[in-house]
Amino acid sequence: GESVGLHLPTLSVQEGDNSIINCAYSNSASDYFIWYKQESGKGPQFIIDIRSNMDKRQGQRVTVLLNKTVKHLSLQIAATQPGDSAVYFCAENTGTASKLTFGTGTRLQVTL
Amino acid sequence: NAGVTQTPKFRVLKTGQSMTLLCAQDMNHEYMYWYRQDPGMGLRLIHYSVGEGTTAKGEVPDGYNVSRLKKQNFLLGLESAAPSQTSVYFCASRPRGVRTDTQYFGPGTRLTVL
Repeated sequence: GESVGLHLPTLSVQEGDNSIINCAYSNSASDYFIWYKQESGKGPQFIIDIRSNMDKRQGQRVTVLLNKTVKHLSLQIAATQPGDSAVYFCAENTGTASKLTFGTGTRLQVTL
Repeated sequence: NAGVTQTPKFRVLKTGQSMTLLCAQDMNHEYMYWYRQDPGMGLRLIHYSVGEGTTAKGEVPDGYNVSRLKKQNFLLGLESAAPSQTSVYFCASRPRGVRTDTQYFGPGTRLTVL
C-alpha cells in the first residue's frame, strides 16, 4: 500500500547549525502533512503542518517545504539546539476521519 | 487542561491475560485514535472513533477491541494478550473541523507481554 517514508534514519548536527529532515510520500491524493517531534519516553508533539495548496510554511525556527512534483516533504530547523534532539516523524492525511499515516522517523542528534 | 492522559503508564502481562488501556481527553474532541509504536517503526493505527458510541478499524485492529461510551474516554482492550502485542500504545484526539487535522497525543503506555 501507499506509505510515507524517510530517507535518513539518523541525522547528527552541531549546535547552532541548521538541520534538514526529509520525507518522501507516495500517496498523490494526500492533501495535508504534519511534522511531529517525539522525545524519549513521550508522545509525539505537533511541530508544524502544511496543506497541499502551499509549498512552504514557516513557524518559529522551523520551516516545512512541500514539493508535490516529486512527492517530497522536508523540515528545516534553524540554529539547532540540544533541546531539538528527538525523533521526527512526518505524517500524511489519508482521507476520512483524518487518519494519519506516519513515516518511520528520523533521529536528530545535536552535538555540542 | 490536562490534555490527553493514558493509564496505566506501564504494564507487564502474561500471554493470555486480558487488560484495558484507558485514554481520556478533556478538550471536548470528537475524534479519538489508538496507535501502537514498535522499535524502528512509525505509529500504526489500531482503531479510531469519530464520536461517542462509534468505532472503526484502523490498519492493525486484530487482537484489539475498543469502546467509546463517553465522549471523553476511549478504551482499548486486549482480550488474550500475545507477545506480538508488546509495544508502546499511544492515544490521540482531535476536534472535528476542516482547518486542521492535527492530532494531540498522550504520553503512551508501555506494554510488555511475556
